[in-house]
This record gives sequence, structure tokens and C-alpha cells, in this order.
Amino acid sequence: AQTVTQSQPEMSVQEAETVTLSCTYDTSESDYYLFWYKQPPSRQMILVIRQEAYKQQNATENRFSVNFQKAAKSFSLKISDSQLGDAAMYFCALEIRAGNQFYFGTGTSLTVIP
Amino acid sequence: GAVVSQHPSRVICKSGTSVKIECRSLDFQATTMFWYRQFPKQSLMLMATSNEGSKATYEQGVEKDKFLINHASLTLSTLTVTSAHPEDSSFYICSARDRFYGYTFGSGTRLTVV
Repeated sequence: AQTVTQSQPEMSVQEAETVTLSCTYDTSESDYYLFWYKQPPSRQMILVIRQEAYKQQNATENRFSVNFQKAAKSFSLKISDSQLGDAAMYFCALEIRAGNQFYFGTGTSLTVIP
Repeated sequence: GAVVSQHPSRVICKSGTSVKIECRSLDFQATTMFWYRQFPKQSLMLMATSNEGSKATYEQGVEKDKFLINHASLTLSTLTVTSAHPEDSSFYICSARDRFYGYTFGSGTRLTVV
């Protein structure tokens, strides 16, 4: 069975500072992707960043980067230079390529303090 | 990128009536679409996987007769909540998988049953 765990229900960060959101996962599959999604108050799910498991290099998208530790099954998201618009729920997700299986973590609510 | 259009965004219906929610992939074909339910401040819970031209696969505990799913074309899946009751009030989100962009989510439907 696959699991995705986000151990931080809530986080806060000062504007312009850096924050790291944690995610661990468990799977016996070798072909999988990992994602971070953002869900603002509008509740639209927005893809923040994606990491293919076979790639060693950590994915980066502008101010967002991940620390992918495959052996430890850890996939944390770092947000640099935090902005007020970053305030949202953040979900870590795991996709098992075989069988179109997709698993969400429980989410982390991020507050950005002006 | 890939776009998934979901309608309506909000619906209020009387108890005992049925409500249909549509999910369309606008610029790609989706052989598989997914329907989620989300309670306030909780993660997305997969309800069913919708397969074009065949029966949907429901997750354990989801009533097939209550939540009817139809995926008649490669760009449209519908979720019909039949004989809705107040406990069916929730936020429903669809998603579809595009081979290039991965999973794309609709903007969600807030259902209120009165």
C-alpha cells in the first residue's frame, strides 16, 4: 500500500523569508512521480512542482524547490522569498505510474505573515 | 497547459433531487478522469475513477447508486448525485491526466443540499 504523510498541519512564515514543508511517502513501486499542489481559498488545485523518481536532480520552479531524498522517501518543499500569495493549503502527492494511482497527503496550511 | 473545465462551480439543491456535475478536458483527450470529494480543511478523497466507454471504478465505501458516473466521450465525464441529502453537501473536484502535464484539476463544485 502507498501512503503520503505530511506531519505539519499548519505552518507560518514571515513575508520574504524561507519556509520548508515536509512530506514523507511510502511505496514499493519504482516508477512514480511526486508532486506538490497548492490550494488557495478559491480551492483550485494548482501544480507547484513535479519530481520524477528516476531523476536525482531536485526539481526547481522559480522560488519553489524540492529536496528529494529517495532512500529516505522524503520530499520536502522549500519556498523562498515567501509572498502573501503563497498562503494556501499545500498537498504532497504520489503518483504510481502503473495503474494511474494517485495519493494525497493530508495537507499543510501555510500562513504568510506580512 | 492542459485545462479541465468543471461546471457548475456552485449548486444549491433541495433534498431528494439529483444534481449533475460536468468535467471537461478542453484541449486534450482524457481516457481516465477522477472524482474527488473534499471536506473543509481536509485532503481530497478519491471517490471513483471514470474510464471512457466503460464502467467507473468506485473506491471502497462510495455508493455506486448514489454517485453515478458517466464517461461517454474522451473529453467529458459527469458525476450525478442522486436523491441528494444534506450529508452529501461537500466540495467535489474532478481531475484528468494528460500525458504531458500530468494531472490537471477542475475548479471544483460546491454542493449544498437544503
